[in-house]
Amino acid sequence: SAVISQKPSRDICQRGTSLTIQCQVDSQVTMMFWYRQQPGQSLTLIATANQGSEATYESGFVIDKFPISRPNLTFSTLTVSNMSPEDSSIYLCSTKGQGNYEQYFGPGTRLTVT
Amino acid sequence: TQLLEQSPQFLSIQEGENLTVYCNSSSVFSSLQWYRQEPGEGPVLLVTVVTGGEVKKLKRLTFQFGDARKDSSLHITAAQPGDTGLYLCAGGRYGTASKLTFGTGTRLQVTL
Repeated sequence: SAVISQKPSRDICQRGTSLTIQCQVDSQVTMMFWYRQQPGQSLTLIATANQGSEATYESGFVIDKFPISRPNLTFSTLTVSNMSPEDSSIYLCSTKGQGNYEQYFGPGTRLTVT
Repeated sequence: TQLLEQSPQFLSIQEGENLTVYCNSSSVFSSLQWYRQEPGEGPVLLVTVVTGGEVKKLKRLTFQFGDARKDSSLHITAAQPGDTGLYLCAGGRYGTASKLTFGTGTRLQVTL
């Protein structure tokens, strides 16, 4: 399974600012995913990031709010733009495993917007 | 929109007890996975089931995929404090099997 790291692990930001979250994988992977998780709640998929093409966003999420970069097969970033307190959440990246179904997750970035 | 409802939402039991967590949907999924998540960490995959009616055992954990591929259950025998965590089921979407729809989650606490 892939080993995934995220930076920062947590941050406290003021409303109106932006934060870029980094996701690094220890091997080359085709598909990377970004999720949002309210503390203690389930995961909601934000977008799928494929290298060499634009990210595909899920309903309710837009590129202007959550721009994503995927410059190579081991790295991706998610930016949370023009933050409001409602953006306070845990943001997780994941990669698709060797099989058809499983995903492996990073430790998450806990964001608090004041 | 595909939804996966888990029950119960919260479960607090003593060490040695048995428990079952349910994951139900009105939608059909290509696969069903179970994850466990501990505070400050990402979800960790426990099992994947892909065939309707499939049963998989992982030590004290037994997973079942419903015949109609709409539901699943996780049974834990003789729970231990190390089983404490947030349990999440996740369904693979037909047509885009790599994308997962996560269940609402079950928070389990096992005390001594």
